[in-house]
Amino acid sequence: QQQVKQSPQSLIVQKGGISIINCAYENTAFDYFPWYQQFPGKGPALLIAIRPDVSEKKEGRFTISFNKSAKQFSLHIMDSQPGDSATYFCAASRRPNNDMRFGAGTRLTVKP
Amino acid sequence: NAGVTQTPKFQVLKTGQSMTLQCAQDMNHNSMYWYRQDPGMGLRLIYYSASEGTTDKGEVPNGYNVSRLNKREFSLRLESAAPSQTSVYFCASSDGTGPTQYFGPGTRLTVL
Repeated sequence: QQQVKQSPQSLIVQKGGISIINCAYENTAFDYFPWYQQFPGKGPALLIAIRPDVSEKKEGRFTISFNKSAKQFSLHIMDSQPGDSATYFCAASRRPNNDMRFGAGTRLTVKP
Repeated sequence: NAGVTQTPKFQVLKTGQSMTLQCAQDMNHNSMYWYRQDPGMGLRLIYYSASEGTTDKGEVPNGYNVSRLNKREFSLRLESAAPSQTSVYFCASSDGTGPTQYFGPGTRLTVL
């Protein structure tokens, strides 16, 4: 039973469009919510992360929106580019050991 | 500064064989983790080591053992490999004060 549920499984977006990936969690003890980006044959790399004390965090074209009451968070990629084509994972972790639970992943394809 | 390195990159085993996956980090991180990645399942934590000398079970520890050899190295051992252990294995590390984890390039393991 996955503690973090991610949707959609796959997403196709035109270049310049907005990509939106959603995640939901159950355990209110989670206190750190990162998004990881993974290219084929590579390990996941941290893209952006948020703590539950803020509702939004923006870094360049990437924004996390966080809704604590709904226990949901999402990744928005503005002006999506073909180079953004990758698999994206949401995750959640909790102190003190920071053991992390991942969503199932979303394969994003940005068409030129 | 190589970050997190893993060996081997690929391995094929027969059912019942044993092997050890090696992981090393050069970032002076306290915490290290082993994950497996399966299609549609995201990454699932097998074992982690919060600090040198300690190890703890994650979500899916059955069939695996780990050794935190020193601060740099954390190995994962399969004593009697089974086809269900066919997966891509990732090692990660974090400095322990914060939750951000840095991943290695992965080991693709096939058990026939």
